[in-house]
This record gives sequence, structure tokens and C-alpha cells, in this order.
Amino acid sequence: NAGVTQTPKFRVLKTGQSMTLLCAQDMNHEYMYWYRQDPGMGLRLIHYSVGEGTTAKGEVPDGYNVSRLKKQNFLLGLESAAPSQTSVYFCASSAVGLNTEAFFGQGTRLTVV
Amino acid sequence: SQELEQSPQSLIVQEGKNLTINCTSSKTLYGLYWYKQKYGEGLIFLMMLQKGGEEKSHEKITAKLDEKKQQSSLHITASQPSHAGIYLCGATYSGGGADGLTFGKGTHLIIQP
Repeated sequence: NAGVTQTPKFRVLKTGQSMTLLCAQDMNHEYMYWYRQDPGMGLRLIHYSVGEGTTAKGEVPDGYNVSRLKKQNFLLGLESAAPSQTSVYFCASSAVGLNTEAFFGQGTRLTVV
Repeated sequence: SQELEQSPQSLIVQEGKNLTINCTSSKTLYGLYWYKQKYGEGLIFLMMLQKGGEEKSHEKITAKLDEKKQQSSLHITASQPSHAGIYLCGATYSGGGADGLTFGKGTHLIIQP
């Protein structure tokens, strides 16, 4: 029972480089989310998706792009990484319904130097 | 301003003692979630409260949502080393929660032997 799987778990990027974080869920959930967690800031929503082919901006979307081409996958892209994007990124998914539980991945620790 | 305030920010408790963590919202909550995070790991769902006055328990952890649905408390009885970690409250302010959770900044709990 994999649940929500994030790839990679750790990454170091140089300023200006690009990368894609992959989130995969095997629970057939409609909703998927990307959050970032920073010291003293808690978790903040970057982008989210309510279904295959749809995405929407969250609280802190600047500098990130997302795609949901397949229901089970939600990709987070950084086109030109900046040191301010150094953070721990969490993906989550949940089923359709009122106040359903969100399941979280183990996180990706990204450092931009 | 922060929509969801958690207190205290950190807590050191002697093993076997009881403790309470609070989560206060600046507006009426639709749903309130409690998660636990071990350092360097993902979030583990504890419980969700929706109805004013609702109370739920799991093992030695009890969470309550006040009648006016603007505050929740998490109470741990007879704390153990396994309770150590970061406790996060998350909120939805409209039905469904498809647009993600708003999180507090977390409470760091340390259990002293």
C-alpha cells in the first residue's frame, strides 16, 4: 500500500536550473495538492488540482508550474530555481467529498544554491 | 495576518504528564484537522472535527472543536516519548475542502524522560 509517493526525496539545484518533482498516488483520488513547508511558516499551498487536466493556484504559486495529465500523477515544475525556493515540498491527495482526509507523501527536501 | 494560530509554538513536557495544544481561527471553521509530523517525515492524520462541540479521541489523544467553531484543542493524556513531534492543525473554510487546507505554523512537542 504505497499511498502517496514523491520523487525524488532529496535534491540540490544550482540557481537557474530547472527540475520537476513527481507525485504519484494509488488511491484513485480526484484531488491533489502541492505544499511547501518552511521554518516558522507552516505549510503553504502552492497549486492544487481537482481532477485530471485541471489545475489551480494556491497561496504561493509564483515560480512554479504544475500539470495533471494523468489522474494518479501531479507534477510540480521549477523553471528557473531560486534560493528562495529552498524548502521541503509535500504532495497530498484526497477523495471527493465533504472534509475528506488528505494523505501526504514523505516530502522532497530541495536546496537551491 | 495568520488565519490559523497555534499555541504554544513549542512545548517541553515530562513523560507521563498531560498537555494541551490550541488552534484558533480568525473566522468560522468548516472543518478542522489535526496532523502529526515526525521530524523529517510526512504528515500523519490524527482526526477531523466538523461539528461545533464535537469531541474525538484516539488512544490517549482527544481533540475538541468549540461550539462557535473557531477554536480547537488537542489534549494528550499521560504523554509518552512516541508523542514527540510537530502537531499541525489545518482548516477548511468552505464545504468540500477541494481547494486545500490552511495550516497553522505547528507546535513542536518534546517529551522529556
